[in-house]
Amino acid sequence: QVLLVQSGTEVKKPGDSVKVSCKTSGYSFEAFAMYWVRQAPGRGLEWVGWINPANGNTRQSQKVQGRLTLRSDTAANMAYMELSGLRGEDTAVYYCARDSILPGGGMDVWGQGTTVTVSS
Amino acid sequence: SYALTQPPSVSVSPGQTATITCSGENLERKNTCWYQQRPGHSPVLLIYQDTKRPSGIPERFSASKSGSTTTLTITDTQALDEADYYCQTWDYITMIFGGGSKLTVL
Repeated sequence: QVLLVQSGTEVKKPGDSVKVSCKTSGYSFEAFAMYWVRQAPGRGLEWVGWINPANGNTRQSQKVQGRLTLRSDTAANMAYMELSGLRGEDTAVYYCARDSILPGGGMDVWGQGTTVTVSS
Repeated sequence: SYALTQPPSVSVSPGQTATITCSGENLERKNTCWYQQRPGHSPVLLIYQDTKRPSGIPERFSASKSGSTTTLTITDTQALDEADYYCQTWDYITMIFGGGSKLTVL
């Protein structure tokens, strides 16, 4: 069974950094890209970034560019997202989601989400 | 910047057919996906590569594309289908989501 299990709720102050982890199991971690998607309270889904665990290549949205670091640990089968310089608008549920590997295949397995609240 | 447009809300009676549209420039040239998100839950992939269903997704869910619009169709709509539905595509290296459509089963 393919599972993505994320770290717990975070409460941060403006300017802080937050690190969210995504522990994977049930599949070959290096064979599938990992996406990060967030959802602000009452709002829609927003793509944050993407990492290829096989080579560490990443891409990120313009909205978080320069503040986002994506990493993967192939020995531990884990993906990490670190967002620095937090602002109120970064308050959201952050999801890791596995790429289905097919062209245009979408994200076929999702983590349970990690709530990040940024408040002074 | 590229955008996908969905109706904010769609209503349907139980047992009837619901349709949710998603429009975007040159969408006919892009692969699209659909996701269902029930309240308090993570999204679930419903449709990929425009029209394909992952294993485990009921046949009641289907999608089609015509020109710059893709349409998700849910037949025999049930109360458990009440959720938010999102279309998604790629614009070069950027993933784009539609704004989401809230399906209400009255």
